[in-house]
Amino acid sequence: QSALTQPASVSGSPGQSITISCTGTSSDVGAYNFVSWYQQHPGKAPKLMIYDVSNRPSGVSNRFSGSKSGNTASLTISGLQAEDEADYYCGSYTSSATPVFGGGTKLTVL
Amino acid sequence: QITLKESGPTLVKPTQTLTLTCTLSGFSLSTSGMGVGWIRQPPGKALEWLALIYWDDDSRYRPSLKSRLTITKDTSKNQVVLTLTNIDPVDTATYYCARSITTVRGVMNFDYWGQGTLVTVSS
Repeated sequence: QSALTQPASVSGSPGQSITISCTGTSSDVGAYNFVSWYQQHPGKAPKLMIYDVSNRPSGVSNRFSGSKSGNTASLTISGLQAEDEADYYCGSYTSSATPVFGGGTKLTVL
Repeated sequence: QITLKESGPTLVKPTQTLTLTCTLSGFSLSTSGMGVGWIRQPPGKALEWLALIYWDDDSRYRPSLKSRLTITKDTSKNQVVLTLTNIDPVDTATYYCARSITTVRGVMNFDYWGQGTLVTVSS
């Protein structure tokens, strides 16, 4: 069960849009529509931002959206704000009936 | 108000067994579809899913740690307990518990998290 692959870092300016990718295999991301995304600020617990590929929990800004194509899922943040600066983790269900996280991506708002 | 809170030792010696407790409030693990999981994060590193337990006692474990992990629940106390045997310095991490609601076992939609507890493994 290998971790999903995410870029180590991405950056963007306020107001811009950024996309974070999450690459898995045909045994996890590619096989199921059970991808989730978490935001984690330093010293804080993670927060669920997207579940089941593209669904937002109540209270999460509609600036956050999720999608999937093949073995790669993506998180897009539009209208980037300073408060979006954080670490982001993807997660997926796997063919082992267990979940796996990605390696995490640090988002810097320039 | 839904809350989860982790408790347990902050310092553990190598080879010992780590026991962590997650106390739930505002929801019941006896409710159909409910699950609670444990996730850890070594300092400066990524999240690692460890285990999940469901309302009907079904459980799932991280394959690489399955032989060392046990997750149980005490519904009457609203608690979930994780044990990790033969602990090693590489197990030093912040340990989180989190709630997951899903109809598919093994899917993690962790919508509520505890604050986490830092466990250091050192002699």
